[in-house]
Amino acid sequence: QKEVEQDPGPLSVPEGAIVSLNCTYSNSAFQYFMWYRQYSRKGPELLMYTYSSGNKEDGRFTAQVDKSSKYISLFIRDSQPSDSATYLCAIALPGGSNYKLTFGKGTLLTVNP
Amino acid sequence: GAGVSQSPRYKVAKRGQDVALRCDPISGHVSLFWYQQALGQGPEFLTYFQNEAQLDKSGLPSDRFFAERPEGSVSTLKIQRTQQEDSAVYLCASSLERESPLHFGNGTRLTVT
Repeated sequence: QKEVEQDPGPLSVPEGAIVSLNCTYSNSAFQYFMWYRQYSRKGPELLMYTYSSGNKEDGRFTAQVDKSSKYISLFIRDSQPSDSATYLCAIALPGGSNYKLTFGKGTLLTVNP
Repeated sequence: GAGVSQSPRYKVAKRGQDVALRCDPISGHVSLFWYQQALGQGPEFLTYFQNEAQLDKSGLPSDRFFAERPEGSVSTLKIQRTQQEDSAVYLCASSLERESPLHFGNGTRLTVT
């Protein structure tokens, strides 16, 4: 079993839709949770970063962590064509090891105008 | 500089050739990381530097891979006797310190023919 599982999609939605992206992980020791956005032929850029269960909101983006279920989600409200990209979840261990990120495979999202 | 800079952007090598990939981190960033991203996959950790010290090289796939950061700034990832399975995007990231968020470059796309 891979440490992080992420549905690769692809996911295609109309503009304005609410998008839900999800990952599951296997090791309960993971404590840091991140979402990265990666445009084609670009490097990943950090969208959201959290280390606790619950919700974290930033504009149209909400990250949700459920440590009891080992499940993390990213919600995008009022999706825009510019949100079309690959979304990667990433997790890390506590205690100074959060540099060694474990990434999911990424979900390719297309928002159609 | 404004961001992490990697060169070359694209590299085509014949099987058996040696290649060198360069990373210029954000000025002042202590930590530097190399990741490998195969097509359709998330990035996978290769190695980590804090200043000039290589503190973790557990992700390097074989002894053909070698990384250095001699003056604690620019880093080079060298691959000797390239194989087809080395074809991937090699991403460099830097952070202000180990616990800080990672800033990725746009990668070097290596194709081994």
